[in-house]
Amino acid sequence: DQQVKQNSPSLSVQEGRISILNCDYTNSMFDYFLWYKKYPAEGPTFLISISSIKDKNEDGRFTVFLNKSAKHLSLHIVPSQPGDSAVYFCAASGGNDYKLSFGAGTTVTVRA
Amino acid sequence: DAGITQSPRHKVTETGTPVTLRCHQTENHRYMYWYRQDPGHGLRLIHYSYGVKDTDKGEVSDGYSVSRSKTEDFLLTLESATSSQTSVYFCAISEREGRETQYFGPGTRLLVL
Repeated sequence: DQQVKQNSPSLSVQEGRISILNCDYTNSMFDYFLWYKKYPAEGPTFLISISSIKDKNEDGRFTVFLNKSAKHLSLHIVPSQPGDSAVYFCAASGGNDYKLSFGAGTTVTVRA
Repeated sequence: DAGITQSPRHKVTETGTPVTLRCHQTENHRYMYWYRQDPGHGLRLIHYSYGVKDTDKGEVSDGYSVSRSKTEDFLLTLESATSSQTSVYFCAISEREGRETQYFGPGTRLLVL
């Protein structure tokens, strides 16, 4: 049973606008969350993370928001650029288990 | 970029043949992982290692074995490949356990005919 869910398989956004990617989790022991970005034929690359003691973390154009009560996190990309077109994976870990659980990914397409 | 290489990058093999994929790191990180990526599933952990000769199973370990005789190398073996093992395989490393970022290699695309 998948503990991390990305319910939107794809997202299309115009260049310069905001991209919002969503992720839900079911395991209340998760306390560390990450977003990875993946281009075709390459490995995932780390984008941004957040621990459960925070509700927001920002790095340049990328901001991750965490809502622990709703077991929900989101990634905001502002402004979206053509190079942001990629697959984005949400991942989580926590408790005594340091292994990462991944969502199925969301494919973002930034239109010119 | 973390120094992680995977070999081969592409492989086509036949059902029933053994296959070994190699992951090599130059970061001297203690933890190494093997994942497979399939549409609709994201990345799923196959096996991981927490030190030389110390390995354990992940969520999709059936049909796979691993070995780690040196810090820098982590091998994934498909003893008898099946078509269901057609996938893209990624190796990852991390310096510590727990709330720690994992860094991924470029992947190996495996096709089992």
